[in-house]
Amino acid sequence: ETGVTQSPTHLIKTRGQQVTLRCSSQSGHNTVSWYQQALGQGPQFIFQYYREEENGRGNFPPRFSGLQFPNYSSELNVNALELDDSALYLCASSLTGAGAEAFFGQGTRLTVV
Amino acid sequence: AQSVTQLDSQVPVFEEAPVELRCNYSSSVSVYLFWYVQYPNQGLQLLLKYLSGSTLVKGINGFEAEFNKSQTSFHLRKPSVHISDTAEYFCAVSAGFGNEKLTFGTGTRLTIIP
Repeated sequence: ETGVTQSPTHLIKTRGQQVTLRCSSQSGHNTVSWYQQALGQGPQFIFQYYREEENGRGNFPPRFSGLQFPNYSSELNVNALELDDSALYLCASSLTGAGAEAFFGQGTRLTVV
Repeated sequence: AQSVTQLDSQVPVFEEAPVELRCNYSSSVSVYLFWYVQYPNQGLQLLLKYLSGSTLVKGINGFEAEFNKSQTSFHLRKPSVHISDTAEYFCAVSAGFGNEKLTFGTGTRLTIIP
């Protein structure tokens, strides 16, 4: 059983550029969630996907978008990067169902300059 | 909507001493409660969770937490800490009804003093 893996681990982008972050879910998990963790803060929910459909979204602008693929892997896309987008981006996979445990990847550290 | 307050941003504790990390939550519906640990440059690892039943929950690495509905609290405790417990600890809640979205507190940095 493989865990949640994210790529890349670190990334530096210029303001205004676009970025794609990737996540491979834990085997058998059909739900993936993305979180943004700014320095010194707790993770903030961006959105969740269940069976390739968005299933809830946090308070993030539309330039944050995502995809979930048939194999349940996922992408997070951010357009028109801003300096405040610099953060650790965490992916978590789980089975669906109330109280299901979310398993987190190690995150992608995005720096926008 | 739910919210989580972690009352202490930093907690220094001597090695082998007990520790309590405080967490209070607010919600208009029943919630599930979680504690996660984050080691430097890593993702989050689940320590323990409360879904229902006994209000005292035991987790990994000797940690336990007690759910107190009347005080809307879910404090994390360990009777004797070790150097390896140095990390950031996050309390989180999720609503029921199949919604796994987690709402996190701002975290408590636990530093163990040798």
